[in-house]
Amino acid sequence: DVKVTQSSRYLVKRTGEKVFLECVQDMDHENMFWYRQDPGLGLRLIYFSYDVKMKEKGDIPEGYSVSREKKERFSLILESASTNQTSMYLCASRPSRWGLGEKLFFGSGTQLSVL
Amino acid sequence: QKEVEQDPGPLSVPEGAIVSLNCTYSNSAFQYFMWYRQYSRKGPELLMYTYSSGNKEDGRFTAQVDKSSKYISLFIRDSQPSDSATYLCAMAPLLYGSARQLTFGSGTQLTVLP
Repeated sequence: DVKVTQSSRYLVKRTGEKVFLECVQDMDHENMFWYRQDPGLGLRLIYFSYDVKMKEKGDIPEGYSVSREKKERFSLILESASTNQTSMYLCASRPSRWGLGEKLFFGSGTQLSVL
Repeated sequence: QKEVEQDPGPLSVPEGAIVSLNCTYSNSAFQYFMWYRQYSRKGPELLMYTYSSGNKEDGRFTAQVDKSSKYISLFIRDSQPSDSATYLCAMAPLLYGSARQLTFGSGTQLTVLP
């Protein structure tokens, strides 16, 4: 069974802290993604990666960075957490370049609260 | 104006009811339409996809696309309590080459009461 695992289900951090959200997939997928999910706004793409050490900005990259040192692991970093980054963060992966019928495999999400 | 609009609900129906979930879109380039289902405390999972106008059926689920009206729907027949979830529509150009071209709706929360 395919699996995308996010290291924490819930996180509470203070304003200004550096925050690491970890995601691991066991499907040997090339593509990995970070989304945030907010009520009324849906899923918004933060960053994605097509390969190890490669990254591309999504629609809302400000305040975030990412790291992909190994194929299976994609980390989202909040350099200095702010209250407006309180959100549900979803990691996803995908096996190949885009095409019909291809789907994203999502993790269960990390609910981050920044106080 | 958002490219994809989805009624957030929440929607509450009795078991056995027919459910209609809808999205409208403004981008004519969207040709590939998907529905994801997200259970509470879980990530979304792809439920159905289609890239042509008309209906596509899969068991109790029917995806309908009307490109002339820029309107898509997901129908659930004989709804069950296990269908209780948030349903997200998603769209993209037909041969999209970047994750930035995939756009999600905000999701509709559905509860099916036993």
